[in-house]
Amino acid sequence: KAGVTQTPRYLIKTRGQQVTLSCSPISGHRSVSWYQQTPGQGLQFLFEYFSETQRNKGNFPGRFSGRQFSNSRSEMNVSTLELGDSALYLCASSLYGPVDTEAFFGQGTRLTVV
Amino acid sequence: EDKVVQSPLSLVVHEGDTVTLNCSYEVTNFRSLLWYKQEKKAPTFLFMLTSSGIEKKSGRLSSILDKKELFSILNITATQTGDSAVYLCCQGGSEKLVFGKGTKLTVNP
Repeated sequence: KAGVTQTPRYLIKTRGQQVTLSCSPISGHRSVSWYQQTPGQGLQFLFEYFSETQRNKGNFPGRFSGRQFSNSRSEMNVSTLELGDSALYLCASSLYGPVDTEAFFGQGTRLTVV
Repeated sequence: EDKVVQSPLSLVVHEGDTVTLNCSYEVTNFRSLLWYKQEKKAPTFLFMLTSSGIEKKSGRLSSILDKKELFSILNITATQTGDSAVYLCCQGGSEKLVFGKGTKLTVNP
């Protein structure tokens, strides 16, 4: 059974640019959630999608957005990048959601904004 | 806003020691308390607790939840160097997880 795949693994962008990260969940999982991890703030919830609908969103500015496709693959987009957006971005897939079922995390995308 | 506090933030022990990691939480819409282990990048699932007072066990690891006092503990007995990792506690509610900052455990041979 293939795990959660995130692409790309590493990314360097310039301030002001935008970026799109991709997450392919485990087959059969309908929930994909996204997290930002930084040394100072730890792991913080960005948003969760279930069957193409956003069910909840964390306390991040509107520059952070996402979507989920009918095959459950998900993308997150960050526009107008700031230096503070440099972080490890993790996605996790689960059957019914990370609150009620085990979440399987991908290896993450390391984003560096210069 | 919900808050999860873990202690200690870091811990160094010798192989064979027993450790207890603590997690306290504030709840508005509590549904679950979860523990994850993060060795490199991808956290891996350890336990999900929803009922108070019921211990979950997996090998040398065990965890228990106290919903009245709003805390959970993770015990690791007979620690091994492979247990070295960051242990993350998170509270699940309203379709989102709130994570603590983690406890970094280092097990020396």
